[in-house]
Amino acid sequence: IAGITQAPTSQILAAGRRMTLRCTQDMRHNAMYWYRQDLGLGLRLIHYSNTAGTTGKGEVPDGYSVSRANTDDFPLTLASAVPSQTSVYFCASKGGDSTDTQYFGPGTRLTVL
Amino acid sequence: GQNIDQPTEMTATEGAIVQINCTYQTSGFNGLFWYQQHAGEAPTFLSYNVLDGLEEKGRFSSFLSRSKGYSYLLLKELQMKDSASYLCAFMDSNYQLIWGAGTKLIIKP
Repeated sequence: IAGITQAPTSQILAAGRRMTLRCTQDMRHNAMYWYRQDLGLGLRLIHYSNTAGTTGKGEVPDGYSVSRANTDDFPLTLASAVPSQTSVYFCASKGGDSTDTQYFGPGTRLTVL
Repeated sequence: GQNIDQPTEMTATEGAIVQINCTYQTSGFNGLFWYQQHAGEAPTFLSYNVLDGLEEKGRFSSFLSRSKGYSYLLLKELQMKDSASYLCAFMDSNYQLIWGAGTKLIIKP
């Protein structure tokens, strides 16, 4: 593994189903982020984690949950998917300095029907 | 409140120069980032400005004026591979990034 990986690459999901998007980084970055990207809108922060064991809510957290059991992994769970959660989801991580660059995973394209 | 704005789309010719503007409003500021995003791919880092002035990096330069809440990305000697979306984002007082919607740059031969 080099950088950040996300799985799955894409997924079609029935409304009401539970889904976990996976994110793993091997850069030993403290901070990790989940964004959604929708056409015509900027990246919007869903949840973040400044360090293992801590998480925080971003701009659009409703309907999503996260956990950060260790430094490398930051899964995003949709407890009961709805069509408005159709989007491209990006995971990102950042190193130790608070103004460091965020590095992005390749994204997960999720369609909720 | 906080907001950030950039043009939706721009068109330029191969070999030319293009300037993509970004304006923002925020009470807390910890720098301005530019990212490039090719269609279907992840954003990749281009530049970071925290002090006023111009930062040059090869064919790409980025400018910041904190007093005016204004930044631009300057791309010189445009190549077809520069066709992408360019995302502007400022870092707020909580060190979170607030993103613009992106500028889609179309390069014509």
